[in-house]
Amino acid sequence: GAVVSQHPSWVICKSGTSVKIECRSLDFQATTMFWYRQFPKQSLMLMATSNEGSKATYEQGVEKDKFLINHASLTLSTLTVTSAHPEDSSFYICSAKGEGEKLFFGSGTQLSVL
Amino acid sequence: GQNIDQPTEMTATEGAIVQINCTYQTSGFNGLFWYQQHAGEAPTFLSYNVLDGLEEKGRFSSFLSRSKGYSYLLLKELQMKDSASYLCAVREKTGGFKTIFGAGTRLFVKA
Repeated sequence: GAVVSQHPSWVICKSGTSVKIECRSLDFQATTMFWYRQFPKQSLMLMATSNEGSKATYEQGVEKDKFLINHASLTLSTLTVTSAHPEDSSFYICSAKGEGEKLFFGSGTQLSVL
Repeated sequence: GQNIDQPTEMTATEGAIVQINCTYQTSGFNGLFWYQQHAGEAPTFLSYNVLDGLEEKGRFSSFLSRSKGYSYLLLKELQMKDSASYLCAVREKTGGFKTIFGAGTRLFVKA
């Protein structure tokens, strides 16, 4: 089946620094990837839709200047959390649409901002 | 916009059957998914319904009624490993396609 690799699995950073999270589709091409955020014991909140070769589409309430998304190739999308603050601490998960309309998810990134 | 409702928690006994309901309101409906998520892990795909009716896949079945905005996930012969969160998700077409998740139902399977 389709595999989506997400890196890093966890990251701890100081407040004010930027963190980049990578999402790769390993055995299929993904023109569209999605970035979700999940707080403990809550569901996935769609942050943005990442489109290869064009600007990402952000959901209402998500700051595009804070959460920079780049989808430079058919297999790679990156999410950069700029000037991270403790309230940005969360579990970030990417996904890509694969065969049969299924979403295949990366393993997620636990971000902790000190 | 969209609104997806499912129960917060359910408890069932090993070997039993449990039904997890999901109601939704959305424009541009383009399919309904069920995903399983164990704590600290990424969701995994369980089922996809785009037409009305029942889809059966092993111990899991999923039902959809588009006119009622209603779906359920049926889990048979429950096993302890089925303890997880079950996420109902609706794919909608509004310009592009996007999948919106419900809050999830935490299922506890007891011996």
